[in-house]
Amino acid sequence: DVKVTQSSRYLVKRTGEKVFLECVQDMDHENMFWYRQDPGLGLRLIYFSYDVKMKEKGDIPEGYSVSREKKERFSLILESASTNQTSMYLCASLLGLAPYNEQFFGPGTRLTVL
Amino acid sequence: AQTVTQSQPEMSVQEAETVTLSCTYDTSESNYYLFWYKQPPSRQMILVIRQEAYKQQNATENRFSVNFQKAAKSFSLKISDSQLGDTAMYFCAYLSGNTGKLIFGQGTTLQVKP
Repeated sequence: DVKVTQSSRYLVKRTGEKVFLECVQDMDHENMFWYRQDPGLGLRLIYFSYDVKMKEKGDIPEGYSVSREKKERFSLILESASTNQTSMYLCASLLGLAPYNEQFFGPGTRLTVL
Repeated sequence: AQTVTQSQPEMSVQEAETVTLSCTYDTSESNYYLFWYKQPPSRQMILVIRQEAYKQQNATENRFSVNFQKAAKSFSLKISDSQLGDTAMYFCAYLSGNTGKLIFGQGTTLQVKP
């Protein structure tokens, strides 16, 4: 079974701190994604990556950056955390774009910025 | 840009009855896939059912089926014989076959009542 893990389930940071959210998948998937989930807004795509060192902006990239130095690891970085970045962050991975491919999700990190 | 809309924030159904969750999307692409994901309370997101846009036949997975109306850009989920374990938030999602970008709707919270 594919496993997607995220470094923390809960995280509390202060405004202005640099925050790293780590995501690791163990099935050699090319594509990895970072979403934030907010009530009434569903999941919104922040960034995605379709290969090592490749990244594409999603719908809400402002205030975030990403890093993918290895295929299995996709990091989301908040350069200077702000209170409006308090949210649930979900990482996902996907094996290519062939039919019947399923996007697998991590358990999520609930980030609170004080 | 592609969009996905779920117009029902909350729904409820009695156990053993049937419920339909609505989803509409907008795209100019011809190569795409549609999904319904389930997120139980405090649990990981899992795939419920998927549909390729080029297939006219509606997908079915046990008690879950879809009504895919391509011309109307509608993709509803029907849950038959509802069970208490179906209580969850349900997300409709669109996957671009060109970019690999997965876009989610706002979600519908479904409560199955005993």
